[in-house]
Amino acid sequence: NAGVTQTPKFRVLKTGQSMTLLCAQDMNHEYMYWYRQDPGMGLRLIHYSVGEGTTAKGEVPDGYNVSRLKKQNFLLGLESAAPSQTSVYFCASSHTLLAGNLGEQYFGPGTRLTVT
Amino acid sequence: DAKTTQPPSMDCAEGRAANLPCNHSTISGNEYVYWYRQIHSQGPQYIIHGLKNNETNEMASLIITEDRKSSTLILPHATLRDTAVYYCIVRVARNQGGKLIFGQGTELSVKP
Repeated sequence: NAGVTQTPKFRVLKTGQSMTLLCAQDMNHEYMYWYRQDPGMGLRLIHYSVGEGTTAKGEVPDGYNVSRLKKQNFLLGLESAAPSQTSVYFCASSHTLLAGNLGEQYFGPGTRLTVT
Repeated sequence: DAKTTQPPSMDCAEGRAANLPCNHSTISGNEYVYWYRQIHSQGPQYIIHGLKNNETNEMASLIITEDRKSSTLILPHATLRDTAVYYCIVRVARNQGGKLIFGQGTELSVKP
C-alpha cells in the first residue's frame, strides 16, 4: 500500500513550456485534491475532484487544468508555465465515512517545480 | 468555512506537553475542527479532528471549549521530531468536496 504518490518529484521548466503532474492513490478514495505551497505560506487549493470524471475549481485555479479519468489518478496540467507557478505542489486524497462525513486527507510527498 | 487564528510560533522543551491554541470564533454548528502538521518539506499529516467533544488518539488530544469558539491541541510529551508547522482548520464535513483551507499555522520548535 503506497498511499499517495506523485510524479515527478522535481522539475525545471522554461516559461511557456507545458507539463503534467501525476497523482496516484491506491486507497480507493473518492476525493482527490491538488494544492500549491509557496515559501512561508500555507497550502492553497487549486482544483479538486469528488469522483471519477468530475472536477471543480479551488481557490487558485487560473493557469491549471485537471482531469480525473480514472478513480486512482488525478492529473494537474500546466499548459503554458509562468514563473509565478514556481511552487511545491501537493496532491491529497480522502475517503467518505458514515453519516456523510469525510475522512482525513492523505498527502503525497510533493513535486517541486521551478519555472525560469 | 470559518476562519482560524493561531500564534505564528511557539517553543516547547523536549519531554514537556505542547499546547497549541486556535481561535475559531465564527465556527458554525456543523463545522469540524481539524489539526494537521507539516514537517519541513513534507506533505501535511493528519493529527486529529473533533466536533464538540474532546478527542484523543495515539498522537495527540484535542480540547474544544464548550462554546466551540476555540480549541487546543495537546502533544503530551513533545519530542524533537514534533518540530513542525501545525495547522488548525475548520470545515464543513462534506460541503465543496470537504476541501481544507490552510492558514499560516503555528511553527512549533521543540528544543532539547
